[in-house]
Amino acid sequence: GENVEQHPSTLSVQEGDSAVIKCTYSDSASNYFPWYKQELGKGPQLIIDIRSNVGEKKDQRIAVTLNKTAKHFSLHITETQPEDSAVYFCAPSGTYKYIFGTGTRLKVLA
Amino acid sequence: ETGVTQTPRHLVMGMTNKKSLKCEQHLGHNAMYWYKQSAKKPLELMFVYSLEERVENNSVPSRFSPECPNSSHLFLHLHTLQPEDSALYLCASSQERNTEAFFGQGTRLTVV
Repeated sequence: GENVEQHPSTLSVQEGDSAVIKCTYSDSASNYFPWYKQELGKGPQLIIDIRSNVGEKKDQRIAVTLNKTAKHFSLHITETQPEDSAVYFCAPSGTYKYIFGTGTRLKVLA
Repeated sequence: ETGVTQTPRHLVMGMTNKKSLKCEQHLGHNAMYWYKQSAKKPLELMFVYSLEERVENNSVPSRFSPECPNSSHLFLHLHTLQPEDSALYLCASSQERNTEAFFGQGTRLTVV
C-alpha cells in the first residue's frame, strides 16, 4: 500500500527563523500534494497544496516545493511566528484515498 | 468553522454499549471520510464514501459500522468496542478527488 513518511517528527525553531518539513511518498500515481495544519482541539486544515504539473507554489510566508521524480515534496515556512506552532501533515493523493503522513510537531519559540 | 459538524464532541462508553457518531456537511461535497487519530497512528483512514457508496474500507474491524444515508450525512455506529479503540474520530468531506478535504473538530471517544 501507499507509504508516506514525514521528517522531522518534531521541529523547534526560534521565532523569525525558517522551518522546512519533508514528505516522502511511494505511490507514483499521486498527483495532488497538500499540507494540513492541525491546532490543538481542532481538525486538520489545508494551508497549501500543489499539483503535479507545478514545481513550486508560494502563499505569503508558506511555500511548497515538489520533486515528482524523487517522490518528495516539502513545506517551507519563513519568518515563523508563535501561532505557527501546530502539527503539520502531508497527504499525497491520486485517488479518493487521502493517506496522511506521520505528522511533524512544530514549536516556534518566542 | 469548516462547514463539517461532528456530534458528540466527547463520548465515554462501556465495552458493551452501542453508540453512534454523527457527521454533517452542507458544503455540497460528494465524498465523505472517517479517520481515526491516536498517538500510535496519527491519521488513519477508515472509510470513504463517494456519492453515498462506500468505496474504501481500510481493513476496519466489524465493530465499526459506517452509514451514509445521503450526501450530507455520515454516521459511524459503534458496538462492543475495546479500550484500544479510544481515540479522536475525525470526519471529513471533499468535492471530488484531489481537492481540499474539510475536517470536523472530531469526537473524542473513550472506551472504559
